[in-house]
Amino acid sequence: GQNIDQPTEMTATEGAIVQINCTYQTSGFNGLFWYQQHAGEAPTFLSYNVLDGLEEKGRFSSFLSRSKGYSYLLLKELQMKDSASYLCAVSDSNYQLIWGAGTKLIIKP
Amino acid sequence: IAGITQAPTSQILAAGRRMTLRCTQDMRHNAMYWYRQDLGLGLRLIHYSNTAGTTGKGEVPDGYSVSRANTDDFPLTLASAVPSQTSVYFCASSGTDGTTDTQYFGPGTRLTVL
Repeated sequence: GQNIDQPTEMTATEGAIVQINCTYQTSGFNGLFWYQQHAGEAPTFLSYNVLDGLEEKGRFSSFLSRSKGYSYLLLKELQMKDSASYLCAVSDSNYQLIWGAGTKLIIKP
Repeated sequence: IAGITQAPTSQILAAGRRMTLRCTQDMRHNAMYWYRQDLGLGLRLIHYSNTAGTTGKGEVPDGYSVSRANTDDFPLTLASAVPSQTSVYFCASSGTDGTTDTQYFGPGTRLTVL
């Protein structure tokens, strides 16, 4: 079967750095997405990786290793507004997105 | 309208009733999707449409139907609602005809079936 694993919840301190991991086993791979979802709101797109390596976008970076079935989202200089759930999703061989259950990130002052 | 809109925002429904959730996008995206999101689970695809006039089944299609008469609208119908269909429903769209492309989400419909 297809499976996306990410931690259920993480806690970090304002101003610090946090890394959210995602491992996947899917039938085929056509890219990996990270989305941010604030409580009661819709998911919003953060990043997309299809090749191995690091993609940097401001305070957020996303890394992919296809051989290991692994990705992480790195958030720097954490702000209170970063408190949200972070969703990892993989595009499979049929270009359908397979979603992880999400990681709830709690930022403490 | 800018982006994707969904209606209603929330609804409480008696079991056995028929309900249509509406989704409209103004981005001229080819592909549209319906997901449900339940606590502790990832988003699960119900139905999708790669282009107007075509639809396909996702991971959890039973009890739901869709239509795609034009590019902008993609309604989801529950023919006879059951309590297990209590969930938050998100509509999404993407620019291409089903290949990997960023999906953009509507604000969601919170549905409670009693």
